[in-house]
Amino acid sequence: TQLLEQSPQFLSIQEGENLTVYCNSSSVFSSLQWYRQEPGEGPVLLVTVVTGGEVKKLKRLTFQFGDARKDSSLHITAAQPGDTGLYLCAGYTGKLIFGQGTTLQVKP
Amino acid sequence: SAVISQKPSRDICQRGTSLTIQCQVDSQVTMMFWYRQQPGQSLTLIATANQGSEATYESGFVIDKFPISRPNLTFSTLTVSNMSPEDSSIYLCSASAGSATEAFFGQGTRLTVV
Repeated sequence: TQLLEQSPQFLSIQEGENLTVYCNSSSVFSSLQWYRQEPGEGPVLLVTVVTGGEVKKLKRLTFQFGDARKDSSLHITAAQPGDTGLYLCAGYTGKLIFGQGTTLQVKP
Repeated sequence: SAVISQKPSRDICQRGTSLTIQCQVDSQVTMMFWYRQQPGQSLTLIATANQGSEATYESGFVIDKFPISRPNLTFSTLTVSNMSPEDSSIYLCSASAGSATEAFFGQGTRLTVV
């Protein structure tokens, strides 16, 4: 069974702080995606990383794919209350397998 | 992109009954999936809905409990059969245009079994 371990599971920080969420696996994925989900909604894709070592930036969010394509990280700079939500990593192996999720709360 | 409409958005059902959830995509997609999610937690894949053939179920999920139909490229249904309180969850439909591409999700169906 391919598992994606995501950490931390919960994170509560003050506005303006930085944070990093990690997504690790013993399996190799052809691609890895990060989603954000708000209550009552389905997950929405933030980014897809495909190449080992790849780094992608989306405004204050930086995503990195490990060289061996087994792990990934999401770094948020100067977090804002609007960043609050559930962040999910998902690895593709013919189907999407999701990590446990990280619930982020950013307090004003 | 694809817009996915899922209904009902929520329901409260008596144990022992069945509920069918519908998923309509506004464009033809290659792949459709059904997930289950407890509030605030991750998504667990139930099955891949295959057009014109039986769905492919993940370990722990069986056709008798979660029959799935996909009569065409844009529509699928998931039935939760003989429900018990343990089936209370959010059920999400997902679709993608192909392998390793973005997956779009419906808003989910919040099911409560009493």
